[in-house]
Amino acid sequence: AQSVTQPDIHITVSEGASLELRCNYSYGATPYLFWYVQSPGQGLQLLLKYFSGDTLVQGIKGFEAEFKRSQSSFNLRKPSVHWSDAAEYFCAVGADTDKLIFGTGTRLQVFP
Amino acid sequence: EPEVTQTPSHQVTQMGQEVILRCVPISNHLYFYWYRQILGQKVEFLVSFYNNEISEKSEIFDDQFSVERPDGSNFTLKIRSTKLEDSAMYFCASSSQGGRSNQPQHFGDGTRLSIL
Repeated sequence: AQSVTQPDIHITVSEGASLELRCNYSYGATPYLFWYVQSPGQGLQLLLKYFSGDTLVQGIKGFEAEFKRSQSSFNLRKPSVHWSDAAEYFCAVGADTDKLIFGTGTRLQVFP
Repeated sequence: EPEVTQTPSHQVTQMGQEVILRCVPISNHLYFYWYRQILGQKVEFLVSFYNNEISEKSEIFDDQFSVERPDGSNFTLKIRSTKLEDSAMYFCASSSQGGRSNQPQHFGDGTRLSIL
């Protein structure tokens, strides 16, 4: 069965520091992978997606993610974090059918 | 940029009452979804809907739940007799293609449902 693991429940970084949020998936075929961000009281906004091709994908707000098949990972990165990036980040895998399977999320806190 | 809109943003209902959550998907999208997020937990798939019928549903989506596209723009989730454990944030999503396509799902801001 498909699953997504986000090992870090809570991450704290200083503004301007680099960021990496981890995501591991379990899926038998080539996965469709997504990162969504949820600001407090808001819905889920798509940051980026991977379907095929180049394993390094660029998203909005300066985020990127790299698909590594050998590690079953799709980690999200940003070279310099801004205070407005504080939010909850969800990794998701597109399953065999329509549904998305989400990880438990990583809450990012940014200190000035 | 077009967006998915959900109303109301917060719904408070007595246990046992019926509730209808409303969604207006992006206008040219054909695939519609409901997800829920219990406080502090992950986002969970409830149901997908295409061509006026359910295409997939989870074990959470029991007989108390139903979905409908009553007109060309709205997509609703009805909970017939609410239970305390139905308290959650409910997200509507839509996409232009379904299944394993390269079109992502776009989410609304959610409706927070509180059952008293």
